[in-house]
Amino acid sequence: AQSVTQLGSHVSVSEGALVLLRCNYSSSVPPYLFWYVQYPNQGLQLLLKYTSAATLVKGINGFEAEFKKSETSFHLTKPSAHMSDAAEYFCAGFVSGGYNKLIFGAGTRLAVHP
Amino acid sequence: KAGVTQTPRYLIKTRGQQVTLSCSPISGHRSVSWYQQTPGQGLQFLFEYFSETQRNKGNFPGRFSGRQFSNSRSEMNVSTLELGDSALYLCASSISGTGDDGYTFGSGTRLTVV
Repeated sequence: AQSVTQLGSHVSVSEGALVLLRCNYSSSVPPYLFWYVQYPNQGLQLLLKYTSAATLVKGINGFEAEFKKSETSFHLTKPSAHMSDAAEYFCAGFVSGGYNKLIFGAGTRLAVHP
Repeated sequence: KAGVTQTPRYLIKTRGQQVTLSCSPISGHRSVSWYQQTPGQGLQFLFEYFSETQRNKGNFPGRFSGRQFSNSRSEMNVSTLELGDSALYLCASSISGTGDDGYTFGSGTRLTVV
């Protein structure tokens, strides 16, 4: 089955600490993977995308993610958290084969405390 | 470059009514997808349109329908509204809808059914 799984519905970090948000995908999901961020009462903003180029993908706002095929993972990291990073983050995979849609993980709410 | 525009931002409707939501994609983007976001079910794919044709449809009842116009603008319609249709409806714009060029989301329409 095609699926994207985010480990941890809530993550809390201190300002300045490392941010690590975990995402695993099923092997049937093609290697088009995305991370989106959603602020309250807003839509989804693309942070970064992996489309079979470099395995380490750099995105906006200092975020990056590494595609690891052997682990079927696409974890999102940021070296130093900022208060403005508090939001909900979604990992998504593109499903082709006639479906042409994104499937999303359940989301991880990131809290950043002083 | 203008982003994806969804109107209206907020809607309150009564059970049994119908509603039409609008989405204007980024200029030059021919694929428009719709997603429903609820706290219980997360982000779920509704349907995708490309060049005025519905290419794919998610697992939603026939009360949910859509269309796309020659200028790529899209509308979705929900008839006979139910309380469970209360959600944030997100539109995503893509050049081709094949995954590699990514998806840009609008700010969404928050529908409340009372």
